[in-house]
Amino acid sequence: GQNIDQPTEMTATEGAIVQINCTYQTSGFNGLFWYQQHAGEAPTFLSYNVLDGLEEKGRFSSFLSRSKGYSYLLLKELQMKDSASYLCASRSYNTDKLIFGTGTRLQVFP
Amino acid sequence: EPEVTQTPSHQVTQMGQEVILRCVPISNHLYFYWYRQILGQKVEFLVSFYNNEISEKSEIFDDQFSVERPDGSNFTLKIRSTKLEDSAMYFCASSVSGSYQETQYFGPGTRLLVL
Repeated sequence: GQNIDQPTEMTATEGAIVQINCTYQTSGFNGLFWYQQHAGEAPTFLSYNVLDGLEEKGRFSSFLSRSKGYSYLLLKELQMKDSASYLCASRSYNTDKLIFGTGTRLQVFP
Repeated sequence: EPEVTQTPSHQVTQMGQEVILRCVPISNHLYFYWYRQILGQKVEFLVSFYNNEISEKSEIFDDQFSVERPDGSNFTLKIRSTKLEDSAMYFCASSVSGSYQETQYFGPGTRLLVL
């Protein structure tokens, strides 16, 4: 089966750090993507993990634990423009599709 | 930076009418996809397309849907007889290859409203 769980909403303060968690149950798991989606816009690619560990990209980092079926996206030095939905998506072997979670809506307050 | 483009940005149609949504994938990409997102819900896979044929499709992609690459640049999604429940944002995406680690880049979407 395929299932992805993320918190529905989170809030944080400008300048702070926030961690958005994602758990997945994906048959034949072969990679985890994070996308950012502003309201009414397209998802934009943030990061990809297939091996255990942390991938850092500027203010954004993503972590994967395959044995735990768990990933998180870490956003540092939050800015107001980081207010958006963050979508966790998994991919399996022998399939083209991304399976998306419902997304976590992050609101950053001044 | 190259982008996926989609037209129109918004489409309003009557139930039972045919609609064609258009996409121009990134130029050196070979794999193309359609996803949809009903308001407030998850992004859902519809279909993938490679080498002028459907590579994979979901249960949503029934006989009312079809895809085509009519020329070297456009990729279209046709809904033959629209239903109210087809109202959604439709995203086109493309990737360089179909490899599992390849990023799929999304276009800005077409918001379809069926009345």
